[in-house]
Amino acid sequence: SQELEQSPQSLIVQEGKNLTINCTSSKTLYGLYWYKQKYGEGLIFLMMLQKGGEEKSHEKITAKLDEKKQQSSLHITASQPSHAGIYLCGADNQAGTALIFGKGTTLSVSS
Amino acid sequence: DSGVTQTPKHLITATGQRVTLRCSPRSGDLSVYWYQQSLDQGLQFLIQYYNGEERAKGNILERFSAQQFPDLHSELNLSSLELGDSALYFCASSFGTGQPQHFGDGTRLSIL
Repeated sequence: SQELEQSPQSLIVQEGKNLTINCTSSKTLYGLYWYKQKYGEGLIFLMMLQKGGEEKSHEKITAKLDEKKQQSSLHITASQPSHAGIYLCGADNQAGTALIFGKGTTLSVSS
Repeated sequence: DSGVTQTPKHLITATGQRVTLRCSPRSGDLSVYWYQQSLDQGLQFLIQYYNGEERAKGNILERFSAQQFPDLHSELNLSSLELGDSALYFCASSFGTGQPQHFGDGTRLSIL
């Protein structure tokens, strides 16, 4: 079965610093999704990537998909306290009927 | 606000009991998905419905069942509850395959 590994598991950065979170799949990626979750709350959809080499940005967050490496990265520029939370990557299973999620990366931003 | 509504937000009950979790999808979305999130297992897919019909099953226990009604809202029924069933249960909806899933705020189930 497909597994998604996220790294790092947790991250503490100073406000204003840049950071990158990685998500690596054990199998071919058909669709890759990034979500943000505040502890104990719902998941907020950030971005969807479907094609190799695709890159999307929203405000200060950029996500890229490297199909050959079966990997996606999420980059935050000039981090702010509002970026703190748990970032989860999810991938379509082969049938497209469900998302498989990584364990998440917990981001803390110190001011 | 994702547009997906889940009720109740919190549920506290005892072992052996049965509970029903409710989900209203975003307007226009035909697919409903149920997920379970726990500290040790992470976010796990349980079951998917599309326009009233069961489409896919994941790691759903036989004690759990779900259905999607003609108005597209869905219910997840959990019976013979065990301590290990304590978790956050999420509902998500999407228009179709390959479209982003939008999640509700979840129902936190605590089994005492």
